[in-house]
Amino acid sequence: LAKTTQPISMDSYEGQEVNITCSHNNIATNDYITWYQQFPSQGPRFIIQGYKTKVTNEVASLFIPADRKSSTLSLPRVSLSDTAVYYCLVGGSMDTGRRALTFGSGTRLQVQP
Amino acid sequence: DAGITQSPRYKITETGRQVTLMCHQTWSHSYMFWYRQDLGHGLRLIYYSAAADITDKGEVPDGYVVSRSKTENFPLTLESATRSQTSVYFCASSDTGGGLYEQYFGPGTRLTVT
Repeated sequence: LAKTTQPISMDSYEGQEVNITCSHNNIATNDYITWYQQFPSQGPRFIIQGYKTKVTNEVASLFIPADRKSSTLSLPRVSLSDTAVYYCLVGGSMDTGRRALTFGSGTRLQVQP
Repeated sequence: DAGITQSPRYKITETGRQVTLMCHQTWSHSYMFWYRQDLGHGLRLIYYSAAADITDKGEVPDGYVVSRSKTENFPLTLESATRSQTSVYFCASSDTGGGLYEQYFGPGTRLTVT
């Protein structure tokens, strides 16, 4: 089981770039890294996923160093609506077992005006 | 409507009663999941299903029963509710199993056991 460690909370201001780092020292070869966002009273929402190097989509970028023992979610120019809890999830194929589906406590991002 | 729905959205029940939470998805996704989220904490997997008639335990399965007779439905039953099962329950579905975790979540059911 690849345990993940994230900061409990982060604060930022509108228009800034926010980087949230997740540590996963015992990540396995076939594990992917996935990030979810959760607003209060809603279910989590998929943001981005990657295996190595860099992945970018319309909402975020994911940076993964060569050793894959950590990853960084980058949110460019955050707004108040980005205030949410962000979860880092590490796991492989469903066939490797249910234990990989662990969300942890996440990082609570608060964006100020 | 297309998507994933849960019912009821809110439920109050008494200790010892049986409660069933419903989950329905319209995408024909193979995988479905049940999570619980306690106040101020992350999600914990209760059960998941890889296909109709195939289910498996997650991290916290005790006290829960699931079934999946149809691909689109994945009900979760609390056989004899306890106060420790007071939580928000999320159902999710996914169409991938090869290392991809893009799960789609329902709106949740807030369950209170008195």
